[in-house]
Amino acid sequence: AQSVTQLDSHVSVSEGTPVLLRCNYSSSYSPSLFWYVQHPNKGLQLLLKYTSAATLVKGINGFEAEFKKSETSFHLTKPSAHMSDAAEYFCVVSSYSSASKIIFGSGTRLSIRP
Amino acid sequence: DGGITQSPKYLFRKEGQNVTLSCEQNLNHDAMYWYRQDPGQGLRLIYYSQIVNDFQKGDIAEGYSVSREKKESFPLTVTSAQKNPTAFYLCASTRTENTGELFFGEGSRLTVL
Repeated sequence: AQSVTQLDSHVSVSEGTPVLLRCNYSSSYSPSLFWYVQHPNKGLQLLLKYTSAATLVKGINGFEAEFKKSETSFHLTKPSAHMSDAAEYFCVVSSYSSASKIIFGSGTRLSIRP
Repeated sequence: DGGITQSPKYLFRKEGQNVTLSCEQNLNHDAMYWYRQDPGQGLRLIYYSQIVNDFQKGDIAEGYSVSREKKESFPLTVTSAQKNPTAFYLCASTRTENTGELFFGEGSRLTVL
């Protein structure tokens, strides 16, 4: 079985400071992991993906995430927050070896203080 | 440009009425999905389809119906049997089943009056 847990429902940072959004996963097979961003009243957009290649994954808009198998984590980071980063972020796990569907985390709302 | 088009963007419905949300993709993707999103919650899977003329129930299929007569199209009908239909509905597609690399439409917001 697969599952994904986003450890914070809401994160607030000041503009120009680092961002850390935390995600832990559980999977019986080698997982593929993804981060998506959703702005208000919009669809989700893929930020980055891990599919068993390099463990440090770079995405769009300066975001990156590191796959840590020993910690079963896939945290999303950005060195310097921008006002336009304010949005909802979702961590997702899937596995080709599993018959289960794509699993979404419950989301983390990122607020940016001026 | 390829993508997924959902319509309408906003829809109002009276209780007891069925409504159909449109989802069209020109990405040549095999799999398509419908999700429901409620305020402050994640996405919940309603139905998905891996191939034309075949679809499977997701976690919250009761009160909804779908069809997949063409590869490009996956409409969702919210029936009067759905007890609490007011929500944001998202359609997505992937190249193949079970990949988490989803392409989303812009969503349809349904409000029941």
